[in-house]
Amino acid sequence: QQQVKQSPQSLIVQKGGISIINCAYENTAFDYFPWYQQFPGKGPALLIAIRPDVSEKKEGRFTISFNKSAKQFSLHIMDSQPGDSATYFCAASRGYGGSQGNLIFGKGTKLSVKP
Amino acid sequence: GAVVSQHPSRVICKSGTSVKIECRSLDFQATTMFWYRQFPKQSLMLMATSNEGSKATYEQGVEKDKFLINHASLTLSTLTVTSAHPEDSSFYICSAPEGFNYGYTFGSGTRLTVV
Repeated sequence: QQQVKQSPQSLIVQKGGISIINCAYENTAFDYFPWYQQFPGKGPALLIAIRPDVSEKKEGRFTISFNKSAKQFSLHIMDSQPGDSATYFCAASRGYGGSQGNLIFGKGTKLSVKP
Repeated sequence: GAVVSQHPSRVICKSGTSVKIECRSLDFQATTMFWYRQFPKQSLMLMATSNEGSKATYEQGVEKDKFLINHASLTLSTLTVTSAHPEDSSFYICSAPEGFNYGYTFGSGTRLTVV
């Protein structure tokens, strides 16, 4: 049973546009929600993460919106650039830093930003 | 920031041989290391969790005797793929929890090709 559902599977955005990726989770015990960026042949790299005590977190062009009641969170990439073209994974875990278990990953979204 | 160094990045081996993959935490102590496997265009699937000084915990369906994990020190965890077969060809990634600011730090991955 997949515990983190991610959509869309792929996304094409024009340069300068906004990329939006959505995730939904089932386990209400999750309390750490990171987003990772992965380029081909490389390991995932942490983009931004949020705890459920806040509804939004912004770091540069990347914003996480979190809706605890709906058990949903999303990644917004503002002013998308061709260099943002990569696969993005949402994830969730109980306890940050592995204190209570491993990350559960969504299936990923392949983002292509057209120049 | 926290860094996990993973080697080798690529390895090609003959069917029936064994391959060892190393992950080292460079500037922090990794008491726990998660090992993932990733097939092309798919998400990361947890294979096993290793804890320093104790036996690894394997996920359902992962063969313990094929994927040997050793976590002998606080900075080194290894995954040995024994008697490798072509179906073991995949991208293997390690990850260690480092703390809230960094969450889970991932290695750069190892592309294993068994011929």
